[in-house]
Amino acid sequence: DAMVIQNPRYQVTQFGKPVTLSCSQTLNHNVMYWYQQKSSQAPKLLFHYYDKDFNNEADTPDNFQSRRPNTSFCFLDIRSPGLGDAAMYLCATSRPSSGGNNEQFFGPGTRLTVL
Amino acid sequence: AQTVTQSQPEMSVQEAETVTLSCTYDTSESNYYLFWYKQPPSRQMILVIRQEAYKQQNATENRFSVNFQKAAKSFSLKISDSQLGDTAMYFCAFPSRATSGTYKYIFGTGTRLKVLA
Repeated sequence: DAMVIQNPRYQVTQFGKPVTLSCSQTLNHNVMYWYQQKSSQAPKLLFHYYDKDFNNEADTPDNFQSRRPNTSFCFLDIRSPGLGDAAMYLCATSRPSSGGNNEQFFGPGTRLTVL
Repeated sequence: AQTVTQSQPEMSVQEAETVTLSCTYDTSESNYYLFWYKQPPSRQMILVIRQEAYKQQNATENRFSVNFQKAAKSFSLKISDSQLGDTAMYFCAFPSRATSGTYKYIFGTGTRLKVLA
């Protein structure tokens, strides 16, 4: 089945130790999104890629970086995780949308714990 | 700026009963889409239903239907014959045009729905 896969599902890191989360998709979608979701809150968009075009949200901290080496894969790098970065990180994909009609397909998320 | 508001942080409903989750939004656009997403505990978020603003007919997907009131900017989700598997967080989402040329979601704060046996 076509899907969005996130690895690992659970990640534990130490304060200040860089960590990389990965996302892959078999849907061949042009657009990939990274969200941060804290407990019982709405997902917060960090950035998205439209093909190789990187689009950062204005309030995304510099601590968060991303790479998209090809259509299928996208990585989220947290350079120096703080306690406040502990959250669920969601990856989503979609086809480009001319009118906003396309749904986003979400992965299961990676839960990040910072010790 | 576009905003999405869900005023019910938590709701509960008895199995087999009907429940309505509310969502209001603000936009100056004339044509747009609206979405409801479901996020079950420890599972991935999935699309429940979508509505195009130009369509007067309310969208329906099996037990899920919407009450779309364009003038009032209201987009509520009705779940009929509630099942235990409907227990989840429900998010209302409004696609906002990004500078990249595609769209990104503005999510509401969510409603946690618990279906009681």
